[in-house]
Amino acid sequence: QQPVQSPQAVILREGEDAVINCSSSKALYSVHWYRQKHGEAPVFLMILLKGGEQKGHEKISASFNEKKQQSSLYLTASQLSYSGTYFCGTPSGVSNFGNEKLTFGTGTRLTIIP
Amino acid sequence: GAGVSQSPRYKVTKRGQDVTLRCDPISSHATLYWYQQALGQGPEFLTYFNYEAQPDKSGLPSDRFSAERPEGSISTLTIQRTEQRDSAMYRCASSSGPRADTQYFGPGTRLTVL
Repeated sequence: QQPVQSPQAVILREGEDAVINCSSSKALYSVHWYRQKHGEAPVFLMILLKGGEQKGHEKISASFNEKKQQSSLYLTASQLSYSGTYFCGTPSGVSNFGNEKLTFGTGTRLTIIP
Repeated sequence: GAGVSQSPRYKVTKRGQDVTLRCDPISSHATLYWYQQALGQGPEFLTYFNYEAQPDKSGLPSDRFSAERPEGSISTLTIQRTEQRDSAMYRCASSSGPRADTQYFGPGTRLTVL
């Protein structure tokens, strides 16, 4: 039941845009996005709640389509600091509303080159 | 504390030995999570605590793994009779509550079983 992310890896030049997708085989109530730089701990970016609301962080935004059980992360005008591996996370606890048990996706490695 | 801390940062042990990993969460945080992270993969849920209660330990791979949080603050993860397949990064995270948006991850303990 691990969410599947695509693409697995992407290389961009600074200033280019990217989209990272996260698909789940089960109904979703929320999707969390984290970024992990090489050798560091994952860092929370944002949470998308049921209702399709888009949220933003820096020049990073995301959407959530609960009917399609998908979320997409949009990185615009990418900066060198955006490099890292991006993970989506979906709650899989008993309640499905709590975040006590996140199942993280397969990951997308993003490399930004000058 | 200011952030989540873990100790030791690196642990090398011989197969069959017991190891105990420690996590010190953000001081006001009620909820504490343990994850196992293989190289290049996302964190994989092991167990979590709400204060000293441990509502879900479904992710622990075997009965050789156990975790405690006796006073609702510091937590330990113990692996008995370690095996080579236990080699991984073990990460602790904390949040203000089980429904909190953000999980704050610690730097992790890199465990190597020879």
